[in-house]
Amino acid sequence: QQQVKQSPQSLIVQKGGISIINCAYENTAFDYFPWYQQFPGKGPALLIAIRPDVSEKKEGRFTISFNKSAKQFSLHIMDSQPGDSATYFCAAHNNYGQNFVFGPGTRLSVLP
Amino acid sequence: ETGVTQSPTHLIKTRGQQVTLRCSSQSGHNTVSWYQQALGQGPQFIFQYYREEENGRGNFPPRFSGLQFPNYSSELNVNALELDDSALYLCASSQDSEKLFFGSGTQLSVL
Repeated sequence: QQQVKQSPQSLIVQKGGISIINCAYENTAFDYFPWYQQFPGKGPALLIAIRPDVSEKKEGRFTISFNKSAKQFSLHIMDSQPGDSATYFCAAHNNYGQNFVFGPGTRLSVLP
Repeated sequence: ETGVTQSPTHLIKTRGQQVTLRCSSQSGHNTVSWYQQALGQGPQFIFQYYREEENGRGNFPPRFSGLQFPNYSSELNVNALELDDSALYLCASSQDSEKLFFGSGTQLSVL
């Protein structure tokens, strides 16, 4: 199963709050899980990524939590800022097909 | 170091026409991938080129074809355009096939 599910579809958070986006997958051939941030009129930009042998990775205000047994991973944005308002995509790398499968995206709005 | 550049930024075509989109990869990157992003959706993998050879393809019909040149730049060609081909076409280059660097895309509208 090549699909990556992502929720919620949209998210509104107050400045300083925590934004949480969740993703789930089925294919055990996925071996690398990045998150991308996309602003209007721009291509996606790599934000942070994790491998399935690690349960958590933190870079600044961004943290990925990974649950291999549940085949789920999530992005946490601490101290959310209005500049974080963008669409976020989780993705999974298929080592056999040499391609990425993207989730449908979460539109985050951080209110000032 | 220049990033990934795509041209044109916008394009309007009519159904049945053919289109060529271009991409210059980031310096030092030998792999180029193309993705289609429909409005409000995540990018979908079209195909990938490594050293001028296609080495991966998504669920797209043969009328989607591509090329990679010796300088690692790339083209995406779409024949017999259909209305559903209207989308943002993204090119991404990489050095290790895991960290993708995307261009800003070409917005294609098919009327």
